[in-house]
Order: sequence, then structure tokens, then C-alpha cells
Amino acid sequence: EDKVVQSPLSLVVHEGDTVTLNCSYEVTNFRSLLWYKQEKKAPTFLFMLTSSGIEKKSGRLSSILDKKELFSILNITATQTGDSAIYLCAVSLTNFGNEKLTFGTGTRLTIIP
Amino acid sequence: KAGVTQTPRYLIKTRGQQVTLSCSPISGHRSVSWYQQTPGQGLQFLFEYFSETQRNKGNFPGRFSGRQFSNSRSEMNVSTLELGDSALYLCASSLLRGRTGELFFGEGSRLTVL
Repeated sequence: EDKVVQSPLSLVVHEGDTVTLNCSYEVTNFRSLLWYKQEKKAPTFLFMLTSSGIEKKSGRLSSILDKKELFSILNITATQTGDSAIYLCAVSLTNFGNEKLTFGTGTRLTIIP
Repeated sequence: KAGVTQTPRYLIKTRGQQVTLSCSPISGHRSVSWYQQTPGQGLQFLFEYFSETQRNKGNFPGRFSGRQFSNSRSEMNVSTLELGDSALYLCASSLLRGRTGELFFGEGSRLTVL
């Protein structure tokens, strides 16, 4: 059974700290790994990773994929209260030309001012 | 450009009833996917529609069904509701199939089953 596991489940840090969120996976027919941020309802897309070792950056957020060890990390530096959200990791799987996302349960990040 | 619109935003039903949820994708998007989000299970894939045809299906019982219309709007239906169906139901659209990196989510329909 395809599995995506995120850790920690929740994390509370002070503004300005750096955090690392983890995502490991055991799936068949891997295509890509995606990170989403969910603040209230609608998850919003952050990154899509397909190749190992290539860091993707967007401002204070960065992410990297290790396809050998089957995990990804999401780093947030100089955290701000607006970073408080649930961060979702998802793996895109392809099966007979059909594609779907399998999500982890998410990491709830809380930034204390 | 309007985002993905889901209606209703909140609804309360009782066990045994049925419910229909609606999703209007971003204009021009032809692929619509549905997900169920619960605190314990996270987001779980329900099904994907493209060009009015169900292209992919998750591991949910037959009580969960859906359809897509010619204008790409989609509906999902849950019959014989159970308490465990209480969840946030999220719809996501993309321009084409296979563009999971370009999924745009709606704000969801929060279903409570009493």
C-alpha cells in the first residue's frame, strides 16, 4: 500500500526560528513529490520535486528530494507568524496513465510572535 | 480570474441521507479531482474527472460517486451517509490531466453527519 509519512505531526517555534519539515514515502510508480500549504481551507501549491538533489527555493522556503532514501524536506528560515499553517506533502503516482496524489497527514506549524 | 468554487460551504445531514456537492473549476480547466480530508486520515483521493469521464478512482465505497458536465463543472454525491463521512471535501482543478503540480484547490465543503 502506498504510504506518505510526515514528521513531526506538529511543531511550535518562535518567530525568527528555522524549521525543517520531513516527508518520507513508500510508493510504487513514483512521479513527483509536492508540498502544499494549508492555512484555512484551500491548500496552495508550494513546490514540485521530480529530481534528486536539486533544491527548489521560493523566498524563505526551500525543499529538496532524495529519491534514493525516499524522503523530502521543507525548510523555512526566519519564520514569521504568517507561516503558521498545515504543511502537506503529497506524492504523485502514475498507474496505467492515470495519475493521483497520495497525501501525508500534514505537519501543523505554529509560529509564536 | 475566479478560483475554484465549491458549494455549499457548510452543511449538516443526518445518517442515511444523501448529499450532493458542487465544484466549478477555474475557467478553462478541464480536469477536476475530489479529495476527502479528515483529521485522522489527511487528504484522500476520491476520483478524477476529465472530459466528462471518470479517469481515476480512489479506494472509497460505491456510496461515493461523481460526474462532470460539459462545462467542466463537477458534482459528487454521497448516499446513505454515515457518521464517518463527516469531513472537508476538497475539489481541485487543473488545465490538463497529469498536471498535479498545477492543481488549484477550492475552499471545500464542510459536511457534518449527525
